[in-house]
Amino acid sequence: SQQGEEDPQALSIQEGENATMNCSYKTSINNLQWYRQNSGRGLVHLILIRSNEREKHSGRLRVTLDTSKKSSSLLITASRAADTASYFCAYKAAGNKLTFGGGTRVLVKP
Amino acid sequence: EAGVAQSPRYKIIEKRQSVAFWCNPISGHATLYWYQQILGQGPKLLIQFQNNGVVDDSQLPKDRFSAERLKGVDSTLKIQPAKLEDSAVYLCASSLPGQFNEKLFFGSGTQLSVL
Repeated sequence: SQQGEEDPQALSIQEGENATMNCSYKTSINNLQWYRQNSGRGLVHLILIRSNEREKHSGRLRVTLDTSKKSSSLLITASRAADTASYFCAYKAAGNKLTFGGGTRVLVKP
Repeated sequence: EAGVAQSPRYKIIEKRQSVAFWCNPISGHATLYWYQQILGQGPKLLIQFQNNGVVDDSQLPKDRFSAERLKGVDSTLKIQPAKLEDSAVYLCASSLPGQFNEKLFFGSGTQLSVL
C-alpha cells in the first residue's frame, strides 16, 4: 500500500492561475521528490528537496517541506495548458525504497 | 542522451497466459526499477536491481512474477500466469547509484490488459 497521501486528488484551474497540491507521509525521510506524468507517458522528475531544506524553487515550481508535520507542498505559478498532468510526490526513508503517493490530477483550462 | 526504452508499448492477453516486458536503461545507470501502476494510482515498486543483483523485491508477487537483469544492463519482467488484477502499466526506471543520485528516469511504460 502507498504511504504517501496527496491532496487534492483532482484540481481544475484556469490558465494563469496558481495550482497548489500537498503531500503527507508517515516516516522520517532523507528527501522528497515531485514527478509529473502526462497521460499515457512515464513519470518525469521535477524537483528534489532534502530533509534539511525548507523550500526550493525551479522555474515556475516552488516546493516546501515541513518535516515536523511530515508534509510537502508543490506550487505551480502562472499555470499553462501544458501543465495539465498528474503530479506525484515520492519520498525515501533511509535505506528504503522510493514510495509514491496517489497523485493529484491537474487540469488547466485555456 | 537516450532515455529508458521499454517494449512492447501495449499488450493484450487473456488470463492465465504469460507475458514478458523488456527494458533497456540509460547507459551507465546501475540501478533499475520495475514499477506497477494501476489506473488512477501512483506507481508501486515491484523490484529494484543494483547492477544484476536484487536490492528489493518485497512487493513482487513471486508466485507469478519474475524478473532478471542479466549482465547488469537490460531487464525483463515476466508474468506467468496472468490474472485480471495484473492489468496495469508496467514502468521501468533507472538511476545512477549512490546516496545523492536519487533522481529516477522513467520509460513510457507497457500498458497491459488482461481479459
